[in-house]
Amino acid sequence: QSVLTQPPSASGTPGQRVTISCSGSSSNIGSNAVNWYQQLPGTAPKLLIYTNNQRPSGVPDRFSGSKSGTSASLAISGLQSEDEADYYCAAWDDSLNGPVVFGGGTKLTVL
Amino acid sequence: QVQLQESGPGLVKPSETLSLTCTVSGGSIHSYYWSWIRQSPGKGLEWIGYIYYTGSTNYNPSLKSRVTMSVDTSKNQFSLKLSSVTAADTAVYHCARDPYGLWYFDYWGQGALVTVSS
Repeated sequence: QSVLTQPPSASGTPGQRVTISCSGSSSNIGSNAVNWYQQLPGTAPKLLIYTNNQRPSGVPDRFSGSKSGTSASLAISGLQSEDEADYYCAAWDDSLNGPVVFGGGTKLTVL
Repeated sequence: QVQLQESGPGLVKPSETLSLTCTVSGGSIHSYYWSWIRQSPGKGLEWIGYIYYTGSTNYNPSLKSRVTMSVDTSKNQFSLKLSSVTAADTAVYHCARDPYGLWYFDYWGQGALVTVSS
């Protein structure tokens, strides 16, 4: 049972816009920044979005992040087949001086 | 390009100590926070803790009693020890870099599968 709640799966067709939600509480998302990771099969997670809505260099602007209250969302526009992966949200949790907590992951399928 | 590589035994017996080392190449270990994160089918991603290049640490409270991290700046390496392991500690263990102490990880190692079994 992950501290942050994500839907286990999501899907879309090429070119579509897909959103993945991440729900938390006042001790994590409500008071700290949210980060998103993409994990392609057989590889390590890759930083996709940091500090709620910032993209690292090299991440296409098709990926965007937002946060409101105790929830966050990752949006992928112009969906491509190579976007098929697992996506995880994460945030620091203030309770007990941490830890970093993750969502359970959302498997995105490009139909 | 910064690269991280985990190394250590892939099989550990129950009740023994898991030991892993992460070697950082293509960049310095100085001025960054270095974390261990594990991934198992049953529990997803779990942050184990971090060590700063100075040696200061912060561990996940749920694992704190069993975790020890250390850093060797001369070798550009940092290490993880997890004591009294059980089958529940079977996972892929990743090392990762937090560039500013802002709790996101911009570089990850490929991961090392550690199985706890007799």
